[in-house]
Amino acid sequence: AQSVAQPEDQVNVAEGNPLTVKCTYSVSGNPYLFWYVQYPNRGLQFLLKYITGDNLVKGSYGFEAEFNKSQTSFHLKKPSALVSDSALYFCAVRDDNTNAGKSTFGDGTTLTVKP
Amino acid sequence: DGGITQSPKYLFRKEGQNVTLSCEQNLNHDAMYWYRQDPGQGLRLIYYSQIVNDFQKGDIAEGYSVSREKKESFPLTVTSAQKNPTAFYLCASSIGPLENNEQFFGPGTRLTVL
Repeated sequence: AQSVAQPEDQVNVAEGNPLTVKCTYSVSGNPYLFWYVQYPNRGLQFLLKYITGDNLVKGSYGFEAEFNKSQTSFHLKKPSALVSDSALYFCAVRDDNTNAGKSTFGDGTTLTVKP
Repeated sequence: DGGITQSPKYLFRKEGQNVTLSCEQNLNHDAMYWYRQDPGQGLRLIYYSQIVNDFQKGDIAEGYSVSREKKESFPLTVTSAQKNPTAFYLCASSIGPLENNEQFFGPGTRLTVL
């Protein structure tokens, strides 16, 4: 079985400060991990993914995420937040040991960046 | 929102009615998905299709039906058997069903039961 948790419903940061949005996962095989962003009343947009290889993954809009196998985490980070980064962020996982095609999404974390 | 379109953007349904939500993609993707989004609950998978003329139930398929007669189209019907259909519905596609393929999402349809 696969599952993913986003322990924070809301993250607030000041513009220019670093931001972290947390994600932990559970899989029986190897994880494939994804981050998506959703702006109000819109669909989700893909930010980045971890498949294999380098634990630090770089994605769109200056975001990056670090895969930590021992802590089963895949936290999303950005060195300097922008007000325009304010949105709803979803972490998703797929287990390479389960039926292909099914992703499990976290409940989402609302990021608010204040000027 | 890439090459995926969903229509209508807003849909109102009376109790006891069936309604069909449209999803079309021009990305030549094999796999397509339907999700339901409720506040504070993230996305829940309703149905998915890995290839034309084939589809699988997701985690909350009861009260919903789909078809995949064409590669580019994956319509979702919300039947009267769905007890609480008011939600935001998202369609997505991916190149293939492999685990490492990211999904591309449409803009969503907001369904409200009157």
